[in-house]
Amino acid sequence: QQPVQSPQAVILREGEDAVINCSSSKALYSVHWYRQKHGEAPVFLMILLKGGEQKGHEKISASFNEKKQQSSLYLTASQLSYSGTYFCGTEIGSNYQLIWGAGTKLIIKP
Amino acid sequence: NAGVMQNPRHLVRRRGQEARLRCSPMKGHSHVYWYRQLPEEGLKFMVYLQKENIIDESGMPKERFSAEFPKEGPSILRIQQVVRGDSAAYFCASSPLGQGATGELFFGEGSRLTVL
Repeated sequence: QQPVQSPQAVILREGEDAVINCSSSKALYSVHWYRQKHGEAPVFLMILLKGGEQKGHEKISASFNEKKQQSSLYLTASQLSYSGTYFCGTEIGSNYQLIWGAGTKLIIKP
Repeated sequence: NAGVMQNPRHLVRRRGQEARLRCSPMKGHSHVYWYRQLPEEGLKFMVYLQKENIIDESGMPKERFSAEFPKEGPSILRIQQVVRGDSAAYFCASSPLGQGATGELFFGEGSRLTVL
């Protein structure tokens, strides 16, 4: 039931792009994306509701393909501040409970 | 407007002792969630509470763990007779939205429990 995130880790140079994927075996009501820096609280990035919408947050955007039961997070022209672990949380049915992926660790080098 | 406040940030206990973790949600938020996180892993849902009510405790171990969110005061996650396997970071999140609604969760900085 836990969504699968890929890749598990990625190392980029500042300015490069990255894509993080989140796939579920269950039909999804929504997908939530958070970023967590080491030793800190997870911080909200965005929510995507079923309907195939795409959202953006500065240079971070995401898509949600409900037919494929997957979401992708796109980071363009990455900055050092983007480093951290990215988690997707999936909502199966509108029941508020999120099932979290294991995370994708993103390291940005200058 | 203060964020979600958790304390203590770090707690060390010996096996068999009790651990009490506290969470004060953001002002105006009456929905609290507790999550557990092991190193290099994702968040595992434990319990969802509203004021004076446990809505969903399906993620809580049946024994030794309990949670409450009283009318006044913080939400408390209580772990009795701790064992080494309880060592983890425990995060609290709050939300202004109720059950069935989808919204942003506001997380606290977490309480890191170490059991010796």
